[in-house]
Amino acid sequence: QLQLQESGPGLVKPSETLSLTCTVSGGSISSSDHFWGWIRQPPGKGLEWIGSIYYSGSTYYNLSLKSRVTISVDTSKNQFSLKLSSVTAADTAVYYCARHVYLLWFGELSAFDIWGQGTMVTVSS
Amino acid sequence: QSVLTQPPSVSAAPGQKVTISCSGSSSNIGNNYVSWYQQLPGTAPKLLIYDNNKRPSGIPDRFSGSKSGTSATLGITGLQTGDEADYYCGSWDSNSWVFGGGTKLTVL
Repeated sequence: QLQLQESGPGLVKPSETLSLTCTVSGGSISSSDHFWGWIRQPPGKGLEWIGSIYYSGSTYYNLSLKSRVTISVDTSKNQFSLKLSSVTAADTAVYYCARHVYLLWFGELSAFDIWGQGTMVTVSS
Repeated sequence: QSVLTQPPSVSAAPGQKVTISCSGSSSNIGNNYVSWYQQLPGTAPKLLIYDNNKRPSGIPDRFSGSKSGTSATLGITGLQTGDEADYYCGSWDSNSWVFGGGTKLTVL
């Protein structure tokens, strides 16, 4: 049973960089059929996709966050990571990692089929 | 303002049927698959429907999905109090992923 687990600081100061890691267990991150994504949810609000990465390092990013976001993958550790720079209070949210199904023949991403439990990150001094 | 438009809330009585709409455009729903997610209070979202109308293993057939043109619909029959949750649609859109704003389902 594949599982994802987010980890990282729960409190980040304004203007600093938020860093989170997602550890994949029970399966390989080097799957040709999947990307690996980050989604966030501010308190009381809806879901916002941040970006997704393939095991090769190919990425797709939300254009509204692209200038501040870096997603990377470490296949040796079966992990992928999120860095969000110059954070403000508006970046306070629950951050989820999830497996993103890749439709290879269409060259597009489909559903998020497995999710981590999420981790709350607060931006405050 | 979400790219995919959902009603903020819907409600129905236990045992009844409810539908939740998701409206988009040709760049997302019109030419790509739609998926639906259920988020129970205080928990992570869970995949309910993928590829417009397919159910993952373990999802009861009370949940169904359909798509027509640039809109998609989630249907839930035999409503239970445990179905009270937020529901989100999602789709691929020009090298980007988009979610709907979410719909809160109340089972009266």
